[in-house]
Amino acid sequence: KAGVTQTPRYLIKTRGQQVTLSCSPISGHRSVSWYQQTPGQGLQFLFEYFSETQRNKGNFPGRFSGRQFSNSRSEMNVSTLELGDSALYLCASSSRLAGGDEQYFGPGTRLTVT
Amino acid sequence: AQSVTQLGSHVSVSEGALVLLRCNYSSSVPPYLFWYVQYPNQGLQLLLKYTSAATLVKGINGFEAEFKKSETSFHLTKPSAHMSDAAEYFCAVSGGYNKLIFGAGTRLAVHP
Repeated sequence: KAGVTQTPRYLIKTRGQQVTLSCSPISGHRSVSWYQQTPGQGLQFLFEYFSETQRNKGNFPGRFSGRQFSNSRSEMNVSTLELGDSALYLCASSSRLAGGDEQYFGPGTRLTVT
Repeated sequence: AQSVTQLGSHVSVSEGALVLLRCNYSSSVPPYLFWYVQYPNQGLQLLLKYTSAATLVKGINGFEAEFKKSETSFHLTKPSAHMSDAAEYFCAVSGGYNKLIFGAGTRLAVHP
């Protein structure tokens, strides 16, 4: 099976702009989670979607949003970008409903805000 | 609320030496625990997971971890380090609904 794919891999944006990142889960996986990784804050959970429904959300401002499509592909959007949004954004997919199953991570999208 | 503490942000070992990466967790319910590895410019790869089936969990690449409830620990070990083990390692606990709560990570360096 193909792994989790994320596009684009690298992105440079200017403060105030918005950005959309895409994640395609492993075939058959219906859960997609998003994480932000920065040197200062480490790995932080953004949100999780299962069957197009957001089931869990981390402690991020409303500028961060996401959605999931009927084919389980997911997008996350960040509006009004700030310098502090520069990070590696990782998505992960899982086949199970609950939290006991492993998540498979994509390679990430590295966002640089200038 | 669940949380994870990794002791030691940097660990350095010689090739062939024992690797020990420490992880302590806090959880109000029986936890699901994971170890992930991250190589430079890559995503996270699952090494192993604990889901209460057995306290000693064997993972990929010769790694294993032991769940100790009395010590709230889930330390990762490998008997003999290899140069290719150099990477950053993350311990995580499940926060429900496929939410992972990660520790700060431990960067492992392996010297010849």
